[in-house]
Amino acid sequence: GAGVSQSPRYKVAKRGQDVALRCDPISGHVSLFWYQQALGQGPEFLTYFQNEAQLDKSGLPSDRFFAERPEGSVSTLKIQRTQQEDSAVYLCASSLVRGQYEQYFGPGTRLTVT
Amino acid sequence: DAKTTQPTSMDCAEGRAANLPCNHSTISGNEYVYWYRQIHSQGPQYIIHGLKNNETNEMASLIITEDRKSSTLILPHATLRDTAVYYCIVRVPSNSGYALNFGKGTSLLVTP
Repeated sequence: GAGVSQSPRYKVAKRGQDVALRCDPISGHVSLFWYQQALGQGPEFLTYFQNEAQLDKSGLPSDRFFAERPEGSVSTLKIQRTQQEDSAVYLCASSLVRGQYEQYFGPGTRLTVT
Repeated sequence: DAKTTQPTSMDCAEGRAANLPCNHSTISGNEYVYWYRQIHSQGPQYIIHGLKNNETNEMASLIITEDRKSSTLILPHATLRDTAVYYCIVRVPSNSGYALNFGKGTSLLVTP
């Protein structure tokens, strides 16, 4: 079956622009996660959704970062007024239910802020 | 989550077993050990997880010491496609829905 998909795969933004990154999780997966991966580092947690509810956003680095999942399926991560330090790969993952289940990751969106 | 320690890098000859160690000396009784890997330019991929007992699946085996302070991921017959960064993660239920704390992992290079 189809895995987690993300779009766009690559995004170049000028500093100060707003960007929106999309995640299509595996159909029926309740839990959805966003991670940020800087070059040479492991992914770091940003935020977590259970269905449409955003239960944890403790990893969002600033109030310029905003995520939503209005219908409990597709999710969008929005970054306002991008800055160079926002350059990273943004990964989305989904899992079937909340619990000790494996997470399935998308290929990521590589954001470069110039 | 308990802190994990992994070697920065390892090499393995193709066809040989790759044994990737992980120390998690502060692990608590309800914390699971997970292994993920990340092939270059791809998202992380789940490999295996365990609590106390050794586990095996089609990808790998996980050996957890009796005191649970360390574990070893074993790839029985490494191939070139197993070249990746391998992450050992210890996690416990939390409000973040079991979000993963990856650390820096071990970069495994499988050579011909």
